Amino acid sequence: GAVVSQHPSRVICKSGTSVKIECRSLDFQATTMFWYRQFPKQSLMLMATSNEGSKATYEQGVEKDKFLINHASLTLSTLTVTSAHPEDSSFYICSARDGGGDSGELFFGEGSRLTVL
Amino acid sequence: GQNIDQPTEMTATEGAIVQINCTYQTSGFNGLFWYQQHAGEAPTFLSYNVLDGLEEKGRFSSFLSRSKGYSYLLLKELQMKDSASYLCAVRDSNYQLIWGAGTKLIIKP
Repeated sequence: GAVVSQHPSRVICKSGTSVKIECRSLDFQATTMFWYRQFPKQSLMLMATSNEGSKATYEQGVEKDKFLINHASLTLSTLTVTSAHPEDSSFYICSARDGGGDSGELFFGEGSRLTVL
Repeated sequence: GQNIDQPTEMTATEGAIVQINCTYQTSGFNGLFWYQQHAGEAPTFLSYNVLDGLEEKGRFSSFLSRSKGYSYLLLKELQMKDSASYLCAVRDSNYQLIWGAGTKLIIKP
């Protein structure tokens, strides 16, 4: 099946710094990628939909100036958490859909666990 | 509002069968998905139902009743590696995925 790679898998940073997470589709082109956040024992929460060559679409309540998304190519989307604070500590997961098939199967990256000290 | 309900936790015995239920109330329906998620890992796709009935895939089967807003995931011949969270997700009329909170399945020897 299609492969989505996410990097880094774990990152620890100091409060106030910025962290960039990369999401790559390795064997297919993804015009759309999705960024999720998952807190412990909770479900996936969609943060934003990343569209290649255009601005991302953010879900209600997600600060677009804090969570910067860049989808510069058909195989790469990046999420930058700017001026991170401890409450931003979470598991961030990206996903992409391979083609327009109706099954709509999403392929997920490995996830990135962010810890802000 | 939109809502997906599934049990928080279930326990089953290795070799047995377990059924994880999911009920949903969404604005429109364009398919229901089941994903498996091991602790600390990203979800992996298990099944997709868009028409009523049972879809069988090896040890896993998924059932859908659109009129009842109901689905279940059936796991047979349980193995220890099946211990994970199982997420039910529904695609609504806007093709947005609405996620349930997940059911943590604990398999005991």
